[in-house]
Amino acid sequence: EDQVTQSPEALRLQEGESSSLNCSYTVSGLRGLFWYRQDPGKGPEFLFTLYSAGEEKEKERLKATLTKKESFLHITAPKPEDSATYLCAVQERDDFNKFYFGSGTKLNVKP
Amino acid sequence: IAGITQAPTSQILAAGRRMTLRCTQDMRHNAMYWYRQDLGLGLRLIHYSNTAGTTGKGEVPDGYSVSRANTDDFPLTLASAVPSQTSVYFCASSNNGNSPLHFGNGTRLTVT
Repeated sequence: EDQVTQSPEALRLQEGESSSLNCSYTVSGLRGLFWYRQDPGKGPEFLFTLYSAGEEKEKERLKATLTKKESFLHITAPKPEDSATYLCAVQERDDFNKFYFGSGTKLNVKP
Repeated sequence: IAGITQAPTSQILAAGRRMTLRCTQDMRHNAMYWYRQDLGLGLRLIHYSNTAGTTGKGEVPDGYSVSRANTDDFPLTLASAVPSQTSVYFCASSNNGNSPLHFGNGTRLTVT
C-alpha cells in the first residue's frame, strides 16, 4: 500500500539552528515527490518537485533531497518566518491523479 | 492574481442538511481535485476531474458528489451532512500530472 510518513511531527528550533525534516515513502512507482509549506488557515503552498534519486532543489534557506525511499528538507539557519507546517506528497507514476500526503511536520522557529 | 478561489471560508451546518462548497480556478488547468484535511491524517482525496464532463472517485468519496460543467468550476456537494464530515476542505488543480497541485485556502466545515 502506498504511504508517506513524515518525522518528526513537531520541531522547535532556535533562530539560526539548522535541521532536517524527513519524508519516508512507499509507492509502487514514483512520478514525483513534492514539498509544500502550509501556514495556519491557508492552503498548502508549493515549494519543490523532485523526480529521481540523487536530485536536489534549493530555495533560500531550504534544500530538498531525494533517495529511493525518502526525502529530506534541510533548513539552514532558519528564521522565525520559516515557522509553518511542511507537507510531503508523492505522486504515482501510473496514475497522475494519485497524490499521497504525509501528515506534516510542524516547525516552530524561536527568535 | 491567478489561483483558486473557494467559498465559503467557513460554515457551521446542521446534520442532515445539504451543502455545496464552491471552487473556481483561473489558471486553465485541466485537472481539479477535492481533498479533506483532518488532524493527524494528512490530506485525503475525495473526488477528482481530469477534464470538463468527467469525474472520478478518490480515497474517501462516500457522502460526497461533484460535477464539472466547465474548466473553471468544480463544486463539491454534501447531500446530507454528518458530523464525521467536519473537516477542512481544499480544492486543488494541476496540469494533468505535469505540474504540482495548486491549492485554494480551504473551507472549514463544522457539522453539528
